[in-house]
Amino acid sequence: NAGVTQTPKFQVLKTGQSMTLQCAQDMNHEYMSWYRQDPGMGLRLIHYSVGAGITDQGEVPNGYNVSRSTTEDFPLRLLSAAPSQTSVYFCASSLAVQSSGNTIYFGEGSWLTVV
Amino acid sequence: AQSVAQPEDQVNVAEGNPLTVKCTYSVSGNPYLFWYVQYPNRGLQFLLKYITGDNLVKGSYGFEAEFNKSQTSFHLKKPSALVSDSALYFCAVTPDSNYQLIWGAGTKLIIKP
Repeated sequence: NAGVTQTPKFQVLKTGQSMTLQCAQDMNHEYMSWYRQDPGMGLRLIHYSVGAGITDQGEVPNGYNVSRSTTEDFPLRLLSAAPSQTSVYFCASSLAVQSSGNTIYFGEGSWLTVV
Repeated sequence: AQSVAQPEDQVNVAEGNPLTVKCTYSVSGNPYLFWYVQYPNRGLQFLLKYITGDNLVKGSYGFEAEFNKSQTSFHLKKPSALVSDSALYFCAVTPDSNYQLIWGAGTKLIIKP
């Protein structure tokens, strides 16, 4: 049971470069989301999706794009990387919207450094 | 503003002693409450949740949490700590069915042999 799979695990980017963090889940979950984790700040929601073709902004969406063409995949794109985007990124999924009490399943994380 | 507080950045406990990781919240409505654990260089894992019913919730790895509505708290507890419990613990709350989860900043739990 793969669960939530994120790639790459580690990445170093130069300022201004673009890249895509991949996320896939095999649990047929409707809800997927991307978080960033920074020291002392917990998890902050970047973007989320309640189903294929539907995405919305979270708390810190600037500098990031997402799309949800299939139920399984939810890639996160950094348009023009900045040092402030150095962080650990987590993809997560759940059966339905998080607030209904459904358990959230997280990927292993992607460590991104922008120099 | 709705918020979750984990007042301790770090908690140190000797192995075999009971542990408590604190969480208080300020949200409207009837909250759903969660605890997640993060081991080093790993994603977060679900520990337990309170939706309704018995205020004492039992979860994975021997952890439990008590929902206290009057004190707006949801403290995580374990009767006897293990070194392997050392990790980062996150409390999360949602006020009702129309809101995203609100996350605490996390508490680092260190269990010393």
